[in-house]
Formats: sequence, structure tokens, C-alpha cells
Amino acid sequence: GDSVTQMEGPVTLSEEAFLTINCTYTATGYPSLFWYVQYPGEGLQLLLKATKADDKGSNKGFEATYRKETTSVHLEKGSVQVSDSAVYFCARGGGGDKLIFGTGTRLQVFP
Amino acid sequence: SAVISQKPSRDICQRGTSLTIQCQVDSQVTMMFWYRQQPGQSLTLIATANQGSEATYESGFVIDKFPISRPNLTFSTLTVSNMSPEDSSIYLCSVGAGGATYEQYFGPGTRLTVT
Repeated sequence: GDSVTQMEGPVTLSEEAFLTINCTYTATGYPSLFWYVQYPGEGLQLLLKATKADDKGSNKGFEATYRKETTSVHLEKGSVQVSDSAVYFCARGGGGDKLIFGTGTRLQVFP
Repeated sequence: SAVISQKPSRDICQRGTSLTIQCQVDSQVTMMFWYRQQPGQSLTLIATANQGSEATYESGFVIDKFPISRPNLTFSTLTVSNMSPEDSSIYLCSVGAGGATYEQYFGPGTRLTVT
């Protein structure tokens, strides 16, 4: 069935380092793709979305490009901050307005 | 985006009891969803709750264990019945943004511990 696969964490970086969190999906067609972020003790927040092939979503310095040829939507940020420490979830539209989530990747940024 | 609140934010319950979680949205929405997030895990959809119809449950979840109400377009409840320690999780409600992109907005979650 349709699924989302994320790189396992934790990802540990120093402040101002470059971040990549890999995410691939299986699907028929071209589902909408999302990145959500969960800060400690909080619910999920929509970070960005990419809803069609070659679309680039961006927010708060994070970017992700919808790449249909590799069925991927990797999350990137050029310079992470300590405040970016959180769990990041990749998700895809699952049909019937549902979302299918990846397992989440914990990011830890140290000063 | 919608503003979603949940009550309670956390609770500690004894096994065998039930807890009802409330989800309130600041605008009218058609689709509401309930998820479970077990410790250190991803989100698992429990059910979809549309106003005016019975909730649709995902495989592995049943109405007797997780009854859901959706009395109007801004409110829903999820009850966790006859709880066991395995029900200790964060329970989140979300709402569909509508349109063709299927994005959802989430409440802050209810952290449930069953002893």
C-alpha cells in the first residue's frame, strides 16, 4: 500500500549546520506532500507543503522540493538553530482526505 | 488556518475507566480526524468524523473502544473506553483545510497515561 519512509533519527547537528532529512513515498499518481514539525510538548504544525510535481515548499528557512522522478520530498535548511530542535514528520495525501505519516525524525541542534 | 483546542491537555487514569477528550475548532469544518501517537512513534489515524454521519474507523480501531461524537461543525469528542496501560498515548484531533491539497491542522494533543 501507499507509504512514507523517512530517515531514522536522531539527527544531531551544531548550530548553523546544513540540514537534510530524507523522505520518500510510494504512491499511484501525484499525492500532495507535507512536512509537519512537532516541538517538545506540543502538537503538530504544518511546516510546508508541495502539492504537485516540481513544486517547492518553503517556510522558516526550510525548503522541500516535490521530485516525482525519485518520489522524494527531502527537507533542507541551510543553517539550523537550536530552536529548530523538534521532531519532523513527512506526510502524503492518502486519499479520502487522509494523511499518511512517516515515522518522524528527531532533530537535535546544539549551540 | 484553524485554531484547535483540546481538553484535557493531559490526564492520568486508572485501568478500566474511560476518558472523553474534547476537540473544539474556531471555525466550521467538514472533516475532523482523530489520531493516536504512541510514545516515540508516528501518528496513526483512529477515525474520520464528519458531521451528520457515523465516524469511519481505520483498521484496528473499533467504535466500542473509541466512540466518537460529532454534534456540530466545530466540535467533536473521542472517548477511550475501558482503558489499559497500552492506551497510554497522545491523542490528537485535526481538521481538514478543505480544497484539493488535503492538508490538515492539528490540535495540541491530549497526553494520556493509564496506570
